[in-house]
Amino acid sequence: DTGVSQNPRHKITKRGQNVTFRCDPISEHNRLYWYRQTLGQGPEFLTYFQNEAQLEKSRLLSDRFSAERPKGSFSTLEIQRTEQGDSAMYLCASSLVAGTNYGYTFGSGTRLTVV
Amino acid sequence: DQQVKQNSPSLSVQEGRISILNCDYTNSMFDYFLWYKKYPAEGPTFLISISSIKDKNEDGRFTVFLNKSAKHLSLHIVPSQPGDSAVYFCAASSFGNEKLTFGTGTRLTIIP
Repeated sequence: DTGVSQNPRHKITKRGQNVTFRCDPISEHNRLYWYRQTLGQGPEFLTYFQNEAQLEKSRLLSDRFSAERPKGSFSTLEIQRTEQGDSAMYLCASSLVAGTNYGYTFGSGTRLTVV
Repeated sequence: DQQVKQNSPSLSVQEGRISILNCDYTNSMFDYFLWYKKYPAEGPTFLISISSIKDKNEDGRFTVFLNKSAKHLSLHIVPSQPGDSAVYFCAASSFGNEKLTFGTGTRLTIIP
C-alpha cells in the first residue's frame, strides 16, 4: 500500500486552459475527498465521494470545476477555463470508515500555478 | 467566516520543552476535533483527535485538551523534538458530516 497518490505533483498552465488532476486513493478506501489549500490558509473542502457517488459539493466548487470517480476507485478533478485565483494546492484524501473520527489519509497534493 | 481559528501563525520552542498549540472554534455544532501535521511538499498527516464527550486524549508525546465551554482546544507536545518542526492544523467536524473545517495552521519550530 503506497498511500494516496496524486498526479501530477506540479502543473503550470496559462489562464483559460483546462487542467485535470488525478487521485488514486488507498485501495480499500471507499471514501474520497478533494480539498484546496491556498497560501497561508488551511485546506478547504471541495467535494467528497462514497464509492462512485458524489455526495457533497462545496460552494467553492464553481461550475468550472468537475470531479468524477467513475468506478469508485481513482478520481479526477477538472478545472475548465482556469483563472489566476485557481492557483492553489489541490489535496486528495481517502478513508475507509464513515465520518472523520479516524482522520483521513491525504496525498501529497497537486500544486497548480495559473499564469 | 473563519469557524476554526489558530491565532498564532508561528511558535518556536526549545528542544525538550513543551510545545502548546492553540485552536478556537465558533461553531457549536462541531463535536469532533483533529490535529494534523504537515511537512513541506507533503500532505497533512493525522496526529490525534478528540470527541466532544471527552476533555483530554493522550497518545504518546501528544495530548489534546478540549474546553467546550470556551470553545477552545490545545495540543501539547512533550518533550518537543526537532522532527516535530512542521505546520500544525486544527480541524473540526460535526456528527454525520464528512467534511473537515481547518484552521489556518501554526508553524512550529523546535530549536536544538
